[in-house]
Amino acid sequence: DGGITQSPKYLFRKEGQNVTLSCEQNLNHDAMYWYRQDPGQGLRLIYYSQIVNDFQKGDIAEGYSVSREKKESFPLTVTSAQKNPTAFYLCASSTDRGSYEQYFGPGTRLTVT
Amino acid sequence: GQSLEQPSEVTAVEGAIVQINCTYQTSGFYGLSWYQQHDGGAPTFLSYNALDGLEETGRFSSFLSRSDSYGYLLLQELQMKDSASYFCAGHSGGYNKLIFGAGTRLAVHP
Repeated sequence: DGGITQSPKYLFRKEGQNVTLSCEQNLNHDAMYWYRQDPGQGLRLIYYSQIVNDFQKGDIAEGYSVSREKKESFPLTVTSAQKNPTAFYLCASSTDRGSYEQYFGPGTRLTVT
Repeated sequence: GQSLEQPSEVTAVEGAIVQINCTYQTSGFYGLSWYQQHDGGAPTFLSYNALDGLEETGRFSSFLSRSDSYGYLLLQELQMKDSASYFCAGHSGGYNKLIFGAGTRLAVHP
């Protein structure tokens, strides 16, 4: 079955540690995205990538980093510079820059204490 | 600026019709999408409007008026499983850059 996988579903870290969230898709989509969702709020774009080896900052990129070395994979690193990292992180993909529908993974709930 | 406003909560009964409004201020605006998200789950795409007018997909319809910077999602024949959060999202800076509203939590009661 085609889809987007994110692992793990729940992640716990101590303050000051970097953590990398995994996102893999087998939909053959060119574009991939990372969003952050806080309780009772909408999704905010962290980073997006339209092709391999290229990515752009979204609205809240500070304290985060990404890489796009393979079409299928778009990992997100939450660095110690991110002041409020506890949140629900969602990865998404879409076919190309002309596509309006984004497909979302199940999300990773990160808790930093 | 770029922002979308929608009501925080809506309540309705099974079988009824409910409309969720979305007003927006976005520059370079290409269209308006709607997503559904159940608690703890992933958002799923419902509809997209690029042009003014109504788009119908089964029990769900979506409307856009670009001159009024306004859209809505219409849910008919409500079912308990429709209890979820609904987000409008503006396409800005390119088709695939979305700006989301804060979401409307819909509670459907028997």
